[in-house]
Amino acid sequence: ILNVEQSPQSLHVQEGDSTNFTCSFPSSNFYALHWYRWETAKSPEALFVMTLNGDEKKKGRISATLNTKEGYSYLYIKGSQPEDSATYLCAFRNQFYFGTGTSLTVIP
Amino acid sequence: NAGVTQTPKFRILKIGQSMTLQCTQDMNHNYMYWYRQDPGMGLKLIYYSVGAGITDKGEVPNGYNVSRSTTEDFPLRLELAAPSQTSVYFCASSYRQGGEQFFGPGTRLTVL
Repeated sequence: ILNVEQSPQSLHVQEGDSTNFTCSFPSSNFYALHWYRWETAKSPEALFVMTLNGDEKKKGRISATLNTKEGYSYLYIKGSQPEDSATYLCAFRNQFYFGTGTSLTVIP
Repeated sequence: NAGVTQTPKFRILKIGQSMTLQCTQDMNHNYMYWYRQDPGMGLKLIYYSVGAGITDKGEVPNGYNVSRSTTEDFPLRLELAAPSQTSVYFCASSYRQGGEQFFGPGTRLTVL
């Protein structure tokens, strides 16, 4: 059993604020790190697949970075909008292990 | 293209009853997965399959069984339902190992 930890557990920000959260994972035997976005009453949707140390991926206002040597990935949201409200999950080791997620609420 | 579909959406079982949660995908993905999601917890992998005829245990397989007779279908069987199996169950599929997963809408199961 591997520990994949996400912090913070929940976050409330004002519309327009930028925010970031963390996924920590074991640094040994790294294969890939996945980020998912999970809106209430829907299914998780893939955001990024990150495989190389130093990877940076971007999709619109959302970006992610990866540090495999120290075992963490950051997800950034620039200029948060209410539609960004969701739980953001990371997954490790062929997605066998998911973190508990960061619940983001963007207040209009 | 329906993606990943799951039935039923909701089910209430009595302790000791059995049922099968159905999962079908039409994307010709070899890899399929079953997860459960409990309040305050992340998704936990129950079983997975790398192709028709091949299944393997995930992190929390006890109390469940699976089969994979076709590429499209990956049913999850509960033989003797217990209250601890009250959860939301998600099926997912991916084209390759470690690739982006596509999730079904989930089945909410309550065991009383």
